[in-house]
Amino acid sequence: VQLLQSGAEVKKPGSSIKVSCETSGDTFNTFSTSGLDWVRQAPGQGLEWVGGIIPFSGKTDYAHKFQGRVTISADESTATAYVELSGLKSEDTAMYYCARVVGSTTSSVLDIWGQGTMVIVSS
Amino acid sequence: EILMTQSPAALSVSPGDRATLSCRASQNIGSNLAWYQQKPGQAPRLLIYFASTRATGVPARFSGSGSGTEFTLTISSLQSDDFATYYCQQYNTLITFGQGTRLDIK
Repeated sequence: VQLLQSGAEVKKPGSSIKVSCETSGDTFNTFSTSGLDWVRQAPGQGLEWVGGIIPFSGKTDYAHKFQGRVTISADESTATAYVELSGLKSEDTAMYYCARVVGSTTSSVLDIWGQGTMVIVSS
Repeated sequence: EILMTQSPAALSVSPGDRATLSCRASQNIGSNLAWYQQKPGQAPRLLIYFASTRATGVPARFSGSGSGTEFTLTISSLQSDDFATYYCQQYNTLITFGQGTRLDIK
């Protein structure tokens, strides 16, 4: 299984961003049995969990910090997950990673990671 | 929110020596802890899950221990490829990461 993410983006403060993560390889099992999470990493900083989705059920969980500002979704027909973040601030400048979750949950081990999508928020 | 605290923030060790990294949870998380390795410009890589189970392909020199609130990652004989940043992650309640320990060559 590989997770292929969309390309880097530059956004203005106050705007929104939507990053995609397409699964390839064992697509059926990933979307049928696993969760997909999003983790971000600001330049020179540590890892921060944003939230996740169980594609076959549509259940989502979000970190408290992002509640109300983030939406995670999944399209089973294209085996693609998305994270959308609104009200962008300069502090949202980061590499955004998608990762496969072991098991039918959003809160578990992250065993396969995408290559990352750099999002820069700048006026 | 469960807070994860790693120590030290940075560690300098000579190749061939042992490295011991610590991770503390703000509340009991049982064995729901994973360790990841991250090299500059790369995505994290899963090393250990359920506190002590090595992921597929991870060398035996990596070992994890602990339960409850105190956890340790030990690298028994450091190779040049092991110098990286290591993160612990709890998955008992949602997910939180520690701030990382950077392992440098001495």
